[in-house]
Amino acid sequence: GENVEQHPSTLSVQEGDSAVIKCTYSDSASNYFPWYKQELGKGPQLIIDIRSNVGEKKDQRIAVTLNKTAKHFSLHITETQPEDSAVYFCAALEPFGNEKLTFGTGTRLTIIP
Amino acid sequence: NAGVTQTPKFQVLKTGQSMTLQCAQDMNHEYMSWYRQDPGMGLRLIHYSVGAGITDQGEVPNGYNVSRSTTEDFPLRLLSAAPSQTSVYFCASRPGARYGTDTQYFGPGTRLTVL
Repeated sequence: GENVEQHPSTLSVQEGDSAVIKCTYSDSASNYFPWYKQELGKGPQLIIDIRSNVGEKKDQRIAVTLNKTAKHFSLHITETQPEDSAVYFCAALEPFGNEKLTFGTGTRLTIIP
Repeated sequence: NAGVTQTPKFQVLKTGQSMTLQCAQDMNHEYMSWYRQDPGMGLRLIHYSVGAGITDQGEVPNGYNVSRSTTEDFPLRLLSAAPSQTSVYFCASRPGARYGTDTQYFGPGTRLTVL
């Protein structure tokens, strides 16, 4: 089955700086890679996603890049704000049949005012 | 739309007790899943369903049962609670690949403590 590794586990950045979180996956057949944000006491919420036929996707201050050859994808947050403080999870979707979504272990991002 | 709802929000059980965590979605999604979240472990898949009447095991299924008699509901049953099942449980749903989107929606979670 799929295995997703996520780094770093914790990340602190100064407000206004950029944050980058990286994930690698093991199954080359995986074709969908979402990123979730989880605030304290809440369920994860999708913030951006990318399919395997696309190399990069942006949504305002958030971007995701995908390198299929190296089997890794990254979340980039620019001009960070205090409300970006949360736990972020990456995931990979195994296609064909079971279609399971496998998650990384999460990154706790803290924005320092 | 209420989205994905879960009840209860909090529950305390004694070892050996059984209970059912409820999950419902009103988006007519085909796929539903149960995850548990433990510190440092991320979200681990317990059981999932690709449609009414169809369920399968995920990564950590032992000690849990599920059924999917309707599209809307996907209850998770703890047969005989153990302290190792202390965790936060999330239910999730998504439309299914044939609808052209894989976006998965999560419920607010149930915090379970087993004494």
